[in-house]
Amino acid sequence: GQSLEQPSEVTAVEGAIVQINCTYQTSGFYGLSWYQQHDGGAPTFLSYNGLDGLEETGRFSSFLSRSDSYGYLLLQELQMKDSASYFCAVRDMDSNYQLIWGAGTKLIIKP
Amino acid sequence: NAGVTQTPKFQVLKTGQSMTLQCAQDMNHNSMYWYRQDPGMGLRLIYYSASEGTTDKGEVPNGYNVSRLNKREFSLRLESAAPSQTSVYFCASTTDRYYTGNTIYFGEGSWLTVV
Repeated sequence: GQSLEQPSEVTAVEGAIVQINCTYQTSGFYGLSWYQQHDGGAPTFLSYNGLDGLEETGRFSSFLSRSDSYGYLLLQELQMKDSASYFCAVRDMDSNYQLIWGAGTKLIIKP
Repeated sequence: NAGVTQTPKFQVLKTGQSMTLQCAQDMNHNSMYWYRQDPGMGLRLIYYSASEGTTDKGEVPNGYNVSRLNKREFSLRLESAAPSQTSVYFCASTTDRYYTGNTIYFGEGSWLTVV
């Protein structure tokens, strides 16, 4: 069956770098997406990796290795406003090619 | 630019009551979705509509019905609410008919409690 695994919680210090990992098991693979969600808010798009390698958008980068069924989100120069939950999602053939979502990683940032 | 608008934001229902969650997007998107999110969990797809006039079941469709009224609007109906349907519901939309990585835009969420 399909599944995505990501750590439930990660703690880091303001100004530091943190990496949030995501491993997936799906039928077919059509890209890995990352979304951010603040408490009480709606998910917002961060990045999409359709091919292997690194995608960079400002302080955030996302990496994909299709051979390892693995990706990560890298957040640099952490700010208090980055405290949120981060979700990885993949498109799955067995789900009629719709996205399935990980359970989310809660990022706690300490001053 | 309103994006995705869903109503109501909060609702308390008694077991067995019915209600409809309304959703509208002003981005001329093809696909629209209804998700539910339970505490500590990711999003689970209830129903989706890849284009006007079509709807399909997602991962957790039981107890729900949907209507794609036109390209803008996609409503979710609970015919006979159950406590297990207590959740936060998100409507979303994207330009893709079948997801290719474009941004999915979400509404602000509807907090539903069934007592």
